[in-house]
Amino acid sequence: GAVVSQHPSRVICKSGTSVKIECRSLDFQATTMFWYRQFPKQSLMLMATSNEGSKATYEQGVEKDKFLINHASLTLSTLTVTSAHPEDSSFYICSASPKSPQRDRYEQYFGPGTRLTVT
Amino acid sequence: LAKTTQPISMDSYEGQEVNITCSHNNIATNDYITWYQQFPSQGPRFIIQGYKTKVTNEVASLFIPADRKSSTLSLPRVSLSDTAVYYCLVVGYNFNKFYFGSGTKLNVKP
Repeated sequence: GAVVSQHPSRVICKSGTSVKIECRSLDFQATTMFWYRQFPKQSLMLMATSNEGSKATYEQGVEKDKFLINHASLTLSTLTVTSAHPEDSSFYICSASPKSPQRDRYEQYFGPGTRLTVT
Repeated sequence: LAKTTQPISMDSYEGQEVNITCSHNNIATNDYITWYQQFPSQGPRFIIQGYKTKVTNEVASLFIPADRKSSTLSLPRVSLSDTAVYYCLVVGYNFNKFYFGSGTKLNVKP
């Protein structure tokens, strides 16, 4: 159980276009979802935290107008990279926190990641 | 914000026990300690979580001293497939501090 999926797993787009990445919790409801970005050989950097039905909370330095996050249901969150540029190329990872944790107090499950390449 | 500090890398051999220590000097009373494993181009995978003393599950043990300013992840009898980056996180109430540190790259040799 506790599976998080991301779609697409890999995307290549041209500079100036927008890309949407979906994050789904497949077998549990998630009250909170997180979006991370990871550059090669670096750690994960938290971009934003979103709760179902409310606006996302962005980390300092993350442009909320460029990285649009929507958490419309308890199983789906989307990240849209608007007007993408080559410097936005990265590995984007989402995670989800169960509404009802089964074992540990702060359970969080990660998706497999989406590799974005902007040409 | 409870910043974590871990060794950048560690080497080990198959069959050995590996201990990775993380320091979190300004951990708060309600914070929990969580460890994740990440393989290249994959999302992190939960390993273990604890608050104090010792926690053990089917894959690892977590040792936390009384002052909780550090924690040690213990991996028994590692194999080549345990080669990965291991992250220590301090998680605050309602996930308000879910930040990743630099992680420890564990290299298991045959």
